[in-house]
Amino acid sequence: GNSVTQMEGPVTLSEEAFLTINCTYTATGYPSLFWYVQYPGEGLQLLLKATKADDKGSNKGFEATYRKETTSFHLEKGSVQVSDSAVYFCALSDRGGSNYKLTFGKGTLLTVNP
Amino acid sequence: NAGVTQTPKFRVLKTGQSMTLLCAQDMNHEYMYWYRQDPGMGLRLIHYSVGEGTTAKGEVPDGYNVSRLKKQNFLLGLESAAPSQTSVYFCASSYGLDQPQHFGDGTRLSIL
Repeated sequence: GNSVTQMEGPVTLSEEAFLTINCTYTATGYPSLFWYVQYPGEGLQLLLKATKADDKGSNKGFEATYRKETTSFHLEKGSVQVSDSAVYFCALSDRGGSNYKLTFGKGTLLTVNP
Repeated sequence: NAGVTQTPKFRVLKTGQSMTLLCAQDMNHEYMYWYRQDPGMGLRLIHYSVGEGTTAKGEVPDGYNVSRLKKQNFLLGLESAAPSQTSVYFCASSYGLDQPQHFGDGTRLSIL
């Protein structure tokens, strides 16, 4: 079956530091890949997505590249801000199966200190 | 710009009580979903719907029922609440199965 593995948190960084959150996946078909962000007390929001191999998703300074050869979709940002403090979820959507399921990783808590 | 609205936002129940969580979306999405979020578990799909009048089981459907009588609404029911159902429940909707999902702000449910 499908699965998503994220690096375990929490991750604590200083403002302007470089961020990487690792995400690897296992899928039977040809998945689309997503990063969602959850701010305290809110629901999840789509941060970025990629639908095929070598696609790069980007938004708000965050980037992630769909790497089929390493089955990875790592999230990066060059300079984090305090306002980036949130929980980040990697997820995949498999278009190949008849039983639909959006599979989430367990989430990574990021705290950015001023 | 309401998006996905969940009602109520908080609720405390006693074991054995029943209740219904309401989800409403105003984006004309065909697909709607109910998840639960527990610490260290990520999000787990309870039930979903691919259109008005349809429902399907997700990863953790036991103890829950759903209905999609109108396209814009997706109801999640707990017939006999148990402490193991204490969680944060999220509703989501999407244009298609492979499209990004839009989430509500969640319902925090405690079962005593």
